[in-house]
Amino acid sequence: DAMVIQNPRYQVTQFGKPVTLSCSQTLNHNVMYWYQQKSSQAPKLLFHYYDKDFNNEADTPDNFQSRRPNTSFCFLDIRSPGLGDAAMYLCATGQGLDTQYFGPGTRLTVL
Amino acid sequence: DAKTTQPPSMDCAEGRAANLPCNHSTISGNEYVYWYRQIHSQGPQYIIHGLKNNETNEMASLIITEDRKSSTLILPHATLRDTAVYYCIVATQTGANNLFFGTGTRLTVIP
Repeated sequence: DAMVIQNPRYQVTQFGKPVTLSCSQTLNHNVMYWYQQKSSQAPKLLFHYYDKDFNNEADTPDNFQSRRPNTSFCFLDIRSPGLGDAAMYLCATGQGLDTQYFGPGTRLTVL
Repeated sequence: DAKTTQPPSMDCAEGRAANLPCNHSTISGNEYVYWYRQIHSQGPQYIIHGLKNNETNEMASLIITEDRKSSTLILPHATLRDTAVYYCIVATQTGANNLFFGTGTRLTVIP
């Protein structure tokens, strides 16, 4: 029954070592979003894909990139993680203007 | 940027109605009011949304004032499982449904 799946649920990486988080969906939604949520803060939108079109938020650091090879999968790449990038990363999907369905998140720890 | 103001925390007795207020005095004519909630260590969950009229679904009711500058989310019979952070969000339905989360209200349902 899982609709938005995020793997892994917990990820540990070293300072400066590239890391990739993955998200998959069984809903066949055309929009996929990535949010960053730091401890005790609200989720913050990083970017989204509308079909194959990538839309970056203005204040998203260049260190964060994304790939969407097909409708079902979307990846978040952090090229050189810093200590400040430790957070929960949430993936969400939506169909056009419809509501969003969130995955359980991946908690990233940077050592 | 978040355009809503919510009280940081509220308590509610189990079985009673929980009324969560939200101010959105700068809301534009084409912006909807959305409510999501986030239970600890989970991704946000959609609850309800509306434009002008009051809305009701199986989870909650949404009451929007006539001038649309504020709204109230009503959980008619709160249970312990409703303990969560509740986010009120205003968003336009143009392109993808970008959500900008504010600080939210932490609702604690007390036995």
